[in-house]
Amino acid sequence: AQSVTQLGSHVSVSEGALVLLRCNYSSSVPPYLFWYVQYPNQGLQLLLKYTTGATLVKGINGFEAEFKKSETSFHLTKPSAHMSDAAEYFCAVRYNQGGKLIFGQGTELSVKP
Amino acid sequence: EAGVAQSPRYKIIEKRQSVAFWCNPISGHATLYWYQQILGQGPKLLIQFQNNGVVDDSQLPKDRFSAERLKGVDSTLKIQPAKLEDSAVYLCASSLDGQAPNSPLHFGNGTRLTVT
Repeated sequence: AQSVTQLGSHVSVSEGALVLLRCNYSSSVPPYLFWYVQYPNQGLQLLLKYTTGATLVKGINGFEAEFKKSETSFHLTKPSAHMSDAAEYFCAVRYNQGGKLIFGQGTELSVKP
Repeated sequence: EAGVAQSPRYKIIEKRQSVAFWCNPISGHATLYWYQQILGQGPKLLIQFQNNGVVDDSQLPKDRFSAERLKGVDSTLKIQPAKLEDSAVYLCASSLDGQAPNSPLHFGNGTRLTVT
């Protein structure tokens, strides 16, 4: 079955440290990939998306993600964490045109001062 | 542009009661989605509308859930009768064209439902 896996339900980093949130998809055909962020008591907000072209995608708030076909991955990174980055992050995949958007389980990011 | 509007923000009901949620998508967005987000999980698609037609309702528990999108704009999601396991956040989202694979979804703030 088509799915998306986020490794680690909870990640904790220190302020200023590198953020790495992992996402793997389950298809040999490159899908359409998205990262969303959810702050407490709010809806999901688009961080970035990959469709075709450049494999390194830059998003809002200093986040970026790299599409690696050989690893079926789309990990999210940020060089230096800020306290305001504390939130839940969701990787989402659409496997084909018109297909539904499938979300991962989410990774809660905590940032320590 | 105004975002996706949802109401109410919170709702507490007893099991076997009924409840309805309302959503107003971003103006001009043809596709509207209802997602269920259970605590600790990612959102799960319940139903997707393209204008006022249903595109996907394969994961909608049709014995108790219903949804409509009259005139291709606003939408309501109803649960009748509610069960304890329906406690979740119900998210409404819209996109310009759900058939375009790179068309992002824009989410409302959700309705948090607690069934006691």
